[in-house]
Amino acid sequence: EAGVAQSPRYKIIEKRQSVAFWCNPISGHATLYWYQQILGQGPKLLIQFQNNGVVDDSQLPKDRFSAERLKGVDSTLKIQPAKLEDSAVYLCASSRLPGPTNEKLFFGSGTQLSVL
Amino acid sequence: GENVGLHLPTLSVQEGDNSIINCAYSNSASDYFIWYKQESGKGPQFIIDIRSNMDKRQGQRVTVLLNKTVKHLSLQIAATQPGDSAVYFCAENTVSGGYNKLIFGAGTRLAVHP
Repeated sequence: EAGVAQSPRYKIIEKRQSVAFWCNPISGHATLYWYQQILGQGPKLLIQFQNNGVVDDSQLPKDRFSAERLKGVDSTLKIQPAKLEDSAVYLCASSRLPGPTNEKLFFGSGTQLSVL
Repeated sequence: GENVGLHLPTLSVQEGDNSIINCAYSNSASDYFIWYKQESGKGPQFIIDIRSNMDKRQGQRVTVLLNKTVKHLSLQIAATQPGDSAVYFCAENTVSGGYNKLIFGAGTRLAVHP
């Protein structure tokens, strides 16, 4: 089966600019996650969707970050305006079943964002 | 070792040796645990999982041990190969607001020397 697709692979912007990332989860997966991974650290959950509804966005800096998952398939994550500390890899993941259930997540390769 | 900024704890082993990577988790209510492997420039890749009603699970060349008393998880890799070089993360699953939430540890870098 095809994996989680993300684009772009790399993005370099200046602070205060806007940026958007796109994710296409594995076909049929109900739950989609966006994680932020700062260099040298483990991934940190930003937002979790079940189908097209948000179930957890407690760690999302809502003053500058937004995300949507229209039609319960693809998702976009936006940062506006970007700050230097937003430099990180943004990982998208999906899992097959809706919660609550224990199962593994499948990750995309991520988008590496550099804010100058 | 404790992860501080850019400096991941590193485990260096010789090819063919066994490796043991340790992880302390935080929530005694966590009921599911996963080990992920992350190679440079890639997303985390699932290795093995274990539910809290078990204390050991074996896969191909890998074994996960769970000690709930001290909230400790370990990953054992037998006959370590150069292709095992990567950063390894443990992740614990908790239920928050009725939904599963996977929380990752800081990671350990495994360096395999020929």
